[in-house]
Amino acid sequence: EDQVTQSPEALRLQEGESSSLNCSYTVSGLRGLFWYRQDPGKGPEFLFTLYSAGEEKEKERLKATLTKKESFLHITAPKPEDSATYLCAVQSNSGYALNFGKGTSLLVTP
Amino acid sequence: DAGITQSPRYKITETGRQVTLMCHQTWSHSYMFWYRQDLGHGLRLIYYSAAADITDKGEVPDGYVVSRSKTENFPLTLESATRSQTSVYFCASRLGLRDQETQYFGPGTRLLVL
Repeated sequence: EDQVTQSPEALRLQEGESSSLNCSYTVSGLRGLFWYRQDPGKGPEFLFTLYSAGEEKEKERLKATLTKKESFLHITAPKPEDSATYLCAVQSNSGYALNFGKGTSLLVTP
Repeated sequence: DAGITQSPRYKITETGRQVTLMCHQTWSHSYMFWYRQDLGHGLRLIYYSAAADITDKGEVPDGYVVSRSKTENFPLTLESATRSQTSVYFCASRLGLRDQETQYFGPGTRLLVL
């Protein structure tokens, strides 16, 4: 059975304090790993898709990396507007569903 | 570009009533999905559809019914609502192409069953 575990559950950073969020996964054949951002009261907003180990993608202050067992979302010099819940999900080769982790709630203070 | 919309955004109903949540997408995506999000569980798949008139169960389908007569619409019906179906419901869609796996989500419907 596919499993996705995100850590930490919550993270508080000061503005400018870089850090990383972790997504550990087990899946029977990875088709894709996805990162989403979710603001309170809104739907998940797509950030990145990673398909194979070694792949990296960047967007502004965010960088996602992928290994065979985990993915990291690196946040460089975060700003208060980066505060949100970050969700990781995997899709296996055997299905169409996304299997989500429970998310990391990030708070960036000025 | 409206993307993916859901209605209603908020709904309060009573146990035993039938409720239909609507989802509409303007991208002509082949695949559409319904998820529910609950504290402590994250997002879980209820049903999905690969094309018009093709649907299949997800992880938590009991108590729900779906249909897809048109590519752009994917309504979710709770035939007899229960308190355990109080949740936030998200619709999502994606293209049907290989390496175009990303799902895009709607704004959600917050459902309270009394």
